[in-house]
Amino acid sequence: EIVMTQSPATLSVSPGERATLSCRASQTISSNLAWYQQKPGQAPRLLIYGASTRATGIPARFSGSGSGTEFTLTISSLQSEDFAVYYCQQYNTWPLFGPGTKVDIK
Amino acid sequence: QVQLVQSGAEVKKPGASVKVSCKASGYTFTTYAMHWVRQAPGQGLEWMGWINVGKGNTKHSQKFQGRVTITTDTSASTAYMELSSLRSQDTAIYYCAREGRDPIVGATHYFDYWGQGTLVTVSS
Repeated sequence: EIVMTQSPATLSVSPGERATLSCRASQTISSNLAWYQQKPGQAPRLLIYGASTRATGIPARFSGSGSGTEFTLTISSLQSEDFAVYYCQQYNTWPLFGPGTKVDIK
Repeated sequence: QVQLVQSGAEVKKPGASVKVSCKASGYTFTTYAMHWVRQAPGQGLEWMGWINVGKGNTKHSQKFQGRVTITTDTSASTAYMELSSLRSQDTAIYYCAREGRDPIVGATHYFDYWGQGTLVTVSS
C-alpha cells in the first residue's frame, strides 16, 4: 500500500519569495502525481499533473518536478493569492492524497 | 465551460443514508469518469470511489466498501453518491470531481474539475 507524505506541514513565506514544497511516495509512482491548491471554503484546484505539466490557466510561477518517489512543487514568487493549502495526489494506482502543506504569510 | 453543481447541505441522524447529486454541464458527460472525494472538518482529502460513466462500472475505496454506492443518470448528466449507515465521523464536505485526461497518456485518475462541495452533517 502506497503512503504519501508531504513536508513541511506548514511553510511560512514572505510575498515575493520562493516556496518549495515536497511530496514523497513510499513506492515508485512514475510521474503519476498531481498537485492541488485549496483555499478556505473552496474546492481544490488542479495545478499540476504528470508531475510537471501545468493545468490550463495555471500561472508559470507554479512548477512541478520529480519522478519515482520524490516530487517538488515550486512557487517562484509568492503572490498574495497563493497562500493556501497544497495537496499532492498519486494516481499510479487508485487515488491517494498527501496530508497537505499549508503556505502562510511570514 | 465545464461545471459540476452539487446538491445542497444535508443533516442526517446516525444510521441514516444520504444521497448527494452532481450535475455536469459543458462537456459530454459519458466521455469522462467521475470520482467522489470527501474532506472532514479541518482535515485533508480522502478519495471515496469512481464510476466509469460510459460503461457504468465502479470502484470504491476499501474503507467505504459496502456503504457507498455511486451511480449516474446519463439522461440528466448527473452523478450520485449514496452513503449508508452514517456515523458522526462521516460529517464532511463531499465533492464530485471529473477525471482528468492527459493528452499523451489518456484517461487518468487525477481531477481537473470539482463540484462546489456538499456539507453532510451527521448528528443525533
